[in-house]
Amino acid sequence: GQSLEQPSEVTAVEGAIVQINCTYQTSGFYGLSWYQQHDGGAPTFLSYNALDGLEETGRFSSFLSRSDSYGYLLLQELQMKDSASYFCVSPSGGYNKLIFGAGTRLAVHP
Amino acid sequence: ETGVTQSPTHLIKTRGQQVTLRCSSQSGHNTVSWYQQALGQGPQFIFQYYREEENGRGNFPPRFSGLQFPNYSSELNVNALELDDSALYLCASKGQNNEQFFGPGTRLTVL
Repeated sequence: GQSLEQPSEVTAVEGAIVQINCTYQTSGFYGLSWYQQHDGGAPTFLSYNALDGLEETGRFSSFLSRSDSYGYLLLQELQMKDSASYFCVSPSGGYNKLIFGAGTRLAVHP
Repeated sequence: ETGVTQSPTHLIKTRGQQVTLRCSSQSGHNTVSWYQQALGQGPQFIFQYYREEENGRGNFPPRFSGLQFPNYSSELNVNALELDDSALYLCASKGQNNEQFFGPGTRLTVL
């Protein structure tokens, strides 16, 4: 089976940095993605790590360590609009489907 | 704006009824997937279609079925609705670099 574990909630203040961790157990591993979903909205793609290391896209960075079955999403210079749910996601079955974690709800306060 | 649209946005049905949800993918995207997202949870994969053929299915019973059409539109059909089918249903078309573009979803309520 496959599972991805991430914290259920994280709280931070504007301008701060927050890290959302994800550990996974998969029978076949094709990399780790991160998606953002605002309340009532669609999940939107943030990043994808196929290999170990850090990927940076603006204020967001994502890291993967396959030997540790671990990854994280780093959000810098937090803004109120970053309040949303963040999902770590692993493609499975030859990319036929995405396996989502339960999601981390990030609340950014002034 | 992902270019993926879904209809209707909201729907209310009663137990035992049948429902059809629709999705229009981005032009050129031959792969469409459907997901069910219960409140407070991550999306769960239902199935995927590629060039009008189902080529992957999650842990959902046969009363969940689908169709994909040549014009990049697709349907999700659910028969014999149950209360637990109440959820947000998302379709997604597959882009490059393992990215999937999700539509805004259809909120289904089963009473």
